[in-house]
This record gives sequence, C-alpha cells and structure tokens, in this order.
Amino acid sequence: GAVVSQHPSRVICKSGTSVKIECRSLDFQATTMFWYRQFPKKSLMLMATSNEGSKATYEQGVEKDKFLINHASLTLSTLTVTSAHPEDSSFYICSASPGREAFFGQGTRLTVV
Amino acid sequence: AQSVAQPEDQVNVAEGNPLTVKCTYSVSGNPYLFWYVQYPNRGLQFLLKYITGDNLVKGSYGFEAEFNKSQTSFHLKKPSALVSDSALYFCAVRPRGAGGYQKVTFGIGTKLQVIP
Repeated sequence: GAVVSQHPSRVICKSGTSVKIECRSLDFQATTMFWYRQFPKKSLMLMATSNEGSKATYEQGVEKDKFLINHASLTLSTLTVTSAHPEDSSFYICSASPGREAFFGQGTRLTVV
Repeated sequence: AQSVAQPEDQVNVAEGNPLTVKCTYSVSGNPYLFWYVQYPNRGLQFLLKYITGDNLVKGSYGFEAEFNKSQTSFHLKKPSALVSDSALYFCAVRPRGAGGYQKVTFGIGTKLQVIP
C-alpha cells in the first residue's frame, strides 16, 4: 500500500513553546491530507483537512490559530501546535489517500510539560 | 450525516478460537467500508476494505469481513485468533465520490484481547 510518513514520532516540549509535526506522502501526491487527534481510549477526531495551495478547513471547535496547518507541496503537510499547553498533549495522526482507502502516518505522541 | 458504531468496547477471546469484532454503520447510499488496526503508540494500519462485489472481503493477517447491506453491518472476523492480534480495531466508512478529499468517519474502536 501507499506510504505516509509522519515525523517526529514522539516529542516532549515545554508549555508555551510551539511544535511542528510533518506528514509526507512518500510514493504518491496528495492534494488533500487529514489531521486527526486521538485521546486515550477514544476514536480519532478529525481536526482539519489540509489542502495543497490553499487554506485548511477546520472542524467545528478546533482553533485554527492554535493548530496551524500548512500544505506547501503535494507531498508535505505540517501541523504546528502553537503555544502548547499540557491539555494539548495527545496522539496526532495524519492521513492521505491516493485512491479510495486512507493511509496513515505512524502518529506523533506530543507531551507538553 | 454518516456514523459508525462499534458496540463493544472490548472483546476477549482465547487463542485459537474464532473472533468477531462488530461494526454497523449509518450512511446514505453505498459507502466504502474499511477496517484498520492500531498497535500501542502507532498509527493505523489498513486491514481490508469493501468497495463492491463479493460480500466477504479478505484482508491482511488472515482477517476477513462480511458486508451485510440489509443489516448495515461490516463485522470483522478471523477463524483462529493469535495473541499477536491483540490491538485496537477501528471500523470506518467513507462516502463514494471522486478524489481523495472524502472524509472518513471512524468508529470509537474495539480493543481485542487474545488470551493465551
């Protein structure tokens, strides 16, 4: 299947700092990528849809100024958690689709201390 | 709006026994249906999908799923469970449509515990 690579897999940052997470489609071009957040023992919550060359579409309740998304090329989308706080600690996963099924990155475990 | 229900928070099965993880969905039209597996602190791995055709779909690691249109179900099955199958399983639906921008809706996940 298609490969989606996410980096870093794990990051610990201090409260108030910003963290950038990268999502790359390695063997296909993705005009659209999705960013999810997963809480413990919970399903995936779609945060936003990243669109290459245009603004991301955020789901209701997700702060666009808090979670900055940039989709600068057909193979790269980034999620920046700005001024991170402990409540932002979570598992973040990106996905992209070369066709019908979605493929997922390995996920990023963010811990804000 | 589309939705996915996984009624069991956890399924326990003895190694070697058959397993079933249940999934029902609600969506207009005929969606694409998927199962994904997630191991601790990892992303989701694609297991199998139903697009069209045979209602019994075979996927990775010996898993299969049966699409039942009348019951709007897509239960995941395996004839003989392995301890290594222990993980979190997600059922997902996606509307039919062109392009990669169609949103995928996930169930809440079912934890499968295979007991040695």
